[in-house]
Amino acid sequence: KAGVTQTPRYLIKTRGQQVTLSCSPISGHRSVSWYQQTPGQGLQFLFEYFSETQRNKGNFPGRFSGRQFSNSRSEMNVSTLELGDSALYLCASSDGRSEAFFGQGTRLTVV
Amino acid sequence: DQQVKQNSPSLSVQEGRISILNCDYTNSMFDYFLWYKKYPAEGPTFLISISSIKDKNEDGRFTVFLNKSAKHLSLHIVPSQPGDSAVYFCAASSGTYKYIFGTGTRLKVLA
Repeated sequence: KAGVTQTPRYLIKTRGQQVTLSCSPISGHRSVSWYQQTPGQGLQFLFEYFSETQRNKGNFPGRFSGRQFSNSRSEMNVSTLELGDSALYLCASSDGRSEAFFGQGTRLTVV
Repeated sequence: DQQVKQNSPSLSVQEGRISILNCDYTNSMFDYFLWYKKYPAEGPTFLISISSIKDKNEDGRFTVFLNKSAKHLSLHIVPSQPGDSAVYFCAASSGTYKYIFGTGTRLKVLA
C-alpha cells in the first residue's frame, strides 16, 4: 500500500509569490491534514479536510488555504509569500480509526 | 498558547539504558495521545498511542504512560539503541482529526 505522497519535495519562491503544494493520501483515507514545521515551533496545525470539506482549522492567516478533491487528494496554497513562511510543510492522512500517517513533506524556502 | 509542551529540547542517553521523554498538556478535553519519531528530511513516523481510558500501553521496547490527573505522559524506550536517535514529538487530540503537537525532544543515544 503506497504511503502519503507530497509534491514537490523542495521549492524556492520569491516574496510576494504564491505557491501550491500537493498531497496524495493513502488509498482509502478520507481525512487529510496539513502542518507547518519550523525550527523550535514543532508541528503547527494548518487545517484538516474530510470528504472535500474543511472540518478543522488552525490559527494561520487567510493567506493559507487548502482544498480537497473527490479522490481525497489535497492541495495547500499560500499566497503573497513572506520570508517567515519558509518551513517544512507536512501532509498527513488518516482513516479515522487510527493514527495519522505523514508524507515526507515539502521544504519551502522563500527568498 | 502551547497546549502540548515538551520542556526538554534535547536528551542524551547511553546505549542500552532507558530513555524517558516527557510531555505535558493543558487541555483536559484531550482523550487520545500519540508519539511520533522524526528523522531529518523525513516525515514523522508513528510510534505508539494511548487512549485516555488507559494509563499504559506497550509495544516492544516502547511504553507510553499517561497520568491524567497530572496531565502528563511519558515515553519510555528500553533498551535505547543508536537507531533511536531522532526527534520525538508527542501529540494530542480531542475526538477530532486535529492533532496538537509539542515542539519535540531531540534524543541522542550514545554508543
